Amino acid sequence: EAQVTQNPRYLITVTGKKLTVTCSQNMNHEYMSWYRQDPGLGLRQIYYSMNVEVTDKGDVPEGYKVSRKEKRNFPLILESPSPNQTSLYFCASRAAKSGTHTDTQYFGPGTRLTVL
Amino acid sequence: QKEVEQNSGPLSVPEGAIASLNCTYSDRGSQSFFWYRQYSGKSPELIMSIYSNGDKEDGRFTAQLNKASQYVSLLIRDSQPSDSATYLCAGVTSGTYKYIFGTGTRLKVLA
Repeated sequence: EAQVTQNPRYLITVTGKKLTVTCSQNMNHEYMSWYRQDPGLGLRQIYYSMNVEVTDKGDVPEGYKVSRKEKRNFPLILESPSPNQTSLYFCASRAAKSGTHTDTQYFGPGTRLTVL
Repeated sequence: QKEVEQNSGPLSVPEGAIASLNCTYSDRGSQSFFWYRQYSGKSPELIMSIYSNGDKEDGRFTAQLNKASQYVSLLIRDSQPSDSATYLCAGVTSGTYKYIFGTGTRLKVLA
């Protein structure tokens, strides 16, 4: 079954304690992306990656890091989480076609993060 | 700041009616547009994509794009209670893979 998986699904942590949210896809997609979703603000892109070792900032990258060492995995790292990073996080993937954006972006189930 | 704007709703329509969801965008460089449906507590799923001016139909759904007016819409015909969800409009700027999402319109289909 084609899917994007995220772990953990729920996480409560404290300010300053480093954490990693994992994301993995089994569709051999080149493109992967991280979003956060907050009430009234919608989905905002944090980082995206066009392929292994290629990453770029989205609209809200501050306080986050990513890496793309393997095609299937795209972890999101919060080195020193703060309460304003409390949010619902989604990972997504899609195939990349040069010059077009036609492919479906598949979303993972989401990770609800609370930073105390 | 590039923006995609939607009315947050809720938009209430009776079962069987046409639901009309609208979206405007500020970036004239936006090339591709997408409508996603998101049920409460779930992840977004793609409903329609549109890249050219005009209409695109898929079953009960029709997406409309007017690049001159920077306007995208989604029509849902014969609305069903199962269509009740939040609908997200997104644009992608040409030459990038940056997705800009609107805040979503909540649709309620009344049985």
